[in-house]
Amino acid sequence: KQEVTQIPAALSVPEGENLVLNCSFTDSAIYNLQWFRQDPGKGLTSLLLIQSSQREQTSGRLNASLDKSSGRSTLYIAASQPGDSATYLCAVSYGGGADGLTFGKGTHLIIQP
Amino acid sequence: DVKVTQSSRYLVKRTGEKVFLECVQDMDHENMFWYRQDPGLGLRLIYFSYDVKMKEKGDIPEGYSVSREKKERFSLILESASTNQTSMYLCASSPGPTGREQYFGPGTRLTVT
Repeated sequence: KQEVTQIPAALSVPEGENLVLNCSFTDSAIYNLQWFRQDPGKGLTSLLLIQSSQREQTSGRLNASLDKSSGRSTLYIAASQPGDSATYLCAVSYGGGADGLTFGKGTHLIIQP
Repeated sequence: DVKVTQSSRYLVKRTGEKVFLECVQDMDHENMFWYRQDPGLGLRLIYFSYDVKMKEKGDIPEGYSVSREKKERFSLILESASTNQTSMYLCASSPGPTGREQYFGPGTRLTVT
């Protein structure tokens, strides 16, 4: 059974710091990897999608990298802001895209003003 | 922007009732998904569909069924609700057939008493 692990489970940092969230997956034969953000009691907002053939994707202050051979992805957040406080979820797809995602349990991030 | 809507944000039902959760997407996506999210367990795939009238079981289909009569609508049915089905239910869609981003709805928090 494929497993996705996110470390750390929780993180609290002062505003302005750069930070890295980690995601690892047991089966490296992924189709793609997606990072999401979830605010309390809300749905998921897609942040970045990395196809298996790609090494990284960037959107604004966010950069996600993928090392498929080692089964790892990182989400880098630059110059963190209080509005970045949320739970960040990593999810992988093993099928051709029509299959569902396998999720990690998330990293709960708090940015202190 | 892709929009995925779910019929209710909060729902309270009694044990044994038949429950319908509705999901509608407005981007002509081929694929639609139902997940549930529980503390400590994360998001788990219940069912998905890659075409009208097609359905595939996910990781935890027991106690649930689905219906997809139109491309834009995907319904999750709890045949006889039980207290262990109290959860947050999230619907998602993605374009197919190749792997693309999944877009999520706001979620339905279902309480079964």
